[in-house]
Amino acid sequence: EDQVTQSPEALRLQEGESSSLNCSYTVSGLRGLFWYRQDPGKGPEFLFTLYSAGEEKEKERLKATLTKKESFLHITAPKPEDSATYLCAVQATGGETSGSRLTFGEGTQLTVNP
Amino acid sequence: NAGVTQTPKFQVLKTGQSMTLQCAQDMNHNSMYWYRQDPGMGLRLIYYSASEGTTDKGEVPNGYNVSRLNKREFSLRLESAAPSQTSVYFCASRETGAGSPQHFGDGTRLSIL
Repeated sequence: EDQVTQSPEALRLQEGESSSLNCSYTVSGLRGLFWYRQDPGKGPEFLFTLYSAGEEKEKERLKATLTKKESFLHITAPKPEDSATYLCAVQATGGETSGSRLTFGEGTQLTVNP
Repeated sequence: NAGVTQTPKFQVLKTGQSMTLQCAQDMNHNSMYWYRQDPGMGLRLIYYSASEGTTDKGEVPNGYNVSRLNKREFSLRLESAAPSQTSVYFCASRETGAGSPQHFGDGTRLSIL
C-alpha cells in the first residue's frame, strides 16, 4: 500500500527565514511525486511534478527536490503570502490502469509572519 | 478560464436526506475524481472516472454513488446522508499522460446534522 508522510505538521517562520518541508513516501514504483499548495477555503493548486531521484524544480521562492525515499520543498526567504498548507502526493507505476490515482499526505501548514 | 467548477459551495443536510454534488470541467480532460478532505485524514479518493463511460471505486466509496454524465460532468450522490459524511468534498480532473497533474475545484462544504 502506498503511503505518504509529511513533516512537520505545522511550521511557523519569520519573513525571510528559509526552511524545508519534508515528504517521505513508500510506493511500489514511483510514476510521479506532486506538490500542491492549498489556501483556506480553496482547492489544492498544483505546484510541481517530480519523476526521478535527483530531479529538482523551482518556482519563485520554492524549490522541490526528490530522492528515492523522500522529497523536500525548500522555501527561500519566504513572504507572508507563502502562508498555506502544502500537500505532497504520489502516483504509482501501473497507475494508468487504476485511473492514475494519487495518494496524499496530510500536509504541512506553513505560516510566515511579517 | 473556469477550470473545475463545483456546486453548491455550502450545504447543510439532515440525516437521511439525499443530495447530489455537481462538478464540471472545461479543460477537455478525460479523467475526473471525487475526494473528501477531513482534519487529520488528508484527501481520500471516493470514486474516479478514468474516461467518459467508466467509473470505479476509490478508497472510501461506501455511502456514495457517482455518474459520469458526459466528458465535462461528474456528479457525486449521497443517497441517505449520515453525520460521518460531514466533510469538504473536492472534484478534480486530469488530462491523459504520465505525470499529468490533477486540477481541483474549490470544494463543497457539507454538514450533516
